[in-house]
Amino acid sequence: DAGITQSPRHKVTETGTPVTLRCHQTENHRYMYWYRQDPGHGLRLIHYSYGVKDTDKGEVSDGYSVSRSKTEDFLLTLESATSSQTSVYFCAISDYRTDTDTQYFGPGTRLTVL
Amino acid sequence: SQQGEEDPQALSIQEGENATMNCSYKTSINNLQWYRQNSGRGLVHLILIRSNEREKHSGRLRVTLDTSKKSSSLLITASRAADTASYFCATYQGGSEKLVFGKGTKLTVNP
Repeated sequence: DAGITQSPRHKVTETGTPVTLRCHQTENHRYMYWYRQDPGHGLRLIHYSYGVKDTDKGEVSDGYSVSRSKTEDFLLTLESATSSQTSVYFCAISDYRTDTDTQYFGPGTRLTVL
Repeated sequence: SQQGEEDPQALSIQEGENATMNCSYKTSINNLQWYRQNSGRGLVHLILIRSNEREKHSGRLRVTLDTSKKSSSLLITASRAADTASYFCATYQGGSEKLVFGKGTKLTVNP
């Protein structure tokens, strides 16, 4: 998985609790992305980062925040988890310079909000 | 919004047969990528085709691109059980760093 790890790999939590997912890379890639994958929706971009402390919103950013204080780590936080945020979350990295660049994905985190 | 839409949503074939998946997109693109996802795993890049290319090969994979119809196809020849996976097309949205994925085709290759 191209030097990308995600933690935790599985998490069950209750509605209203805060949750933080971590993505860690050893590739020194500039760009990092958080996606969620749901049946019938494919992959949807939540937030992405184009450098330390530089982040931007994706298609489904409501209810999520991110932080990137180091090149290698990108955190996704659900401030107050809801059942609609039950999903599989994937982190991806890219050394985007042109639109021919590919993305490399982590193994995913399965989050269940009860 | 989804840039690419794959068709069919699901495909079941026998080992040795060819599998064809289609992708349609909405806006002009510079290139189109295909990814594979094995069950429970992250996506893996398969192949990229540029807008000035009509066809590209990589092993048993053949990708075509028709920019006039805004569509692409992925052909897997002589399929194997190990090809069982979901396949996604993806494009970058107009000059941005955001890669937009379709909903995917789930391929099942029966031994």
